[in-house]
Amino acid sequence: EIVLTQSPGTLSVSPGERATLSCRASQSITSSYLAWYQQKPGQAPRLLIYGGSNRATGIPDRFSGSGTGTDFTLTISRLGPEDFAVYYCQQQYGGSPRYTFGQGTKLEMK
Amino acid sequence: EVKLLESGGDLAQPGGSLRLSCAASGFTFNNYAMTWVRQAPGKGLEWVSSISSSGSSTYYADSVEGRFTISRDNSKKTLFLQMNSLRVEDTALYYCAKVSLPPGRYLDHWGQGTLVTVSS
Repeated sequence: EIVLTQSPGTLSVSPGERATLSCRASQSITSSYLAWYQQKPGQAPRLLIYGGSNRATGIPDRFSGSGTGTDFTLTISRLGPEDFAVYYCQQQYGGSPRYTFGQGTKLEMK
Repeated sequence: EVKLLESGGDLAQPGGSLRLSCAASGFTFNNYAMTWVRQAPGKGLEWVSSISSSGSSTYYADSVEGRFTISRDNSKKTLFLQMNSLRVEDTALYYCAKVSLPPGRYLDHWGQGTLVTVSS
C-alpha cells in the first residue's frame, strides 16, 4: 500500500506571500494519478489539481502543482484570505477507483 | 450544475446497521463511477468504497471490507452504502463523490456529507 506523507503539518504564511506544500509517496507513483484538494472548515473538499499539475475548473492560476516519482508539490502564490484551509494530496491506484489520501496540511494565516 | 445530496446518517449502536443514500443530479449518472469518502471528527479524509458506472465492479478499503456494501440504482440516480456491524471507529462524516472519467479518476464533485455516529 502506498502511503502519502504531507509536510509540514501546519504552515503559517502571511497573506500575499507564497506557500509551498509537500506530498511524498512511499513509492514512485504516476503523476497522472496525483490530485490535490482544498477543504475549508465546515465544507466538503474541493478538487484543486488533477494529473499532478492540471488546475480543475474554476481554480485560479495562483494554484499550481508539480512533481514526479515520489515528490509532489502544491504551490500557492500570492495567498488570499480565502486560501487558508486544509490541503490534501491523493493518489489513485493504477486504473481502478481506489484511493489514498495524505494526512493533510493546514495552511494558516501568520 | 452537479449536485450530490447525502442522507441516512444517524446515531447507531455498535454492531448496528445504517444505509446511506446519495441522490445525484446535473450529470449523466450512469456514465460515472462513484465513491464514498469519510472523515472522522477532526481527522483527515479516508477513502471507503467505490463502484463502477454500471455497478458491476465494487472496491472497498480494508477497514470496511466485509461489513459495508456499496450499490447504485442508475434508474433513480442514487448511490447507496449499506453499513453493517458498525464500530465506534466508523463514526464520521460520510461524503459521496463523483469520479471523473478515466484515466484520471479524480473526485471532481462532492456532496456536503451525512453524519454517522456509532455509540452505545
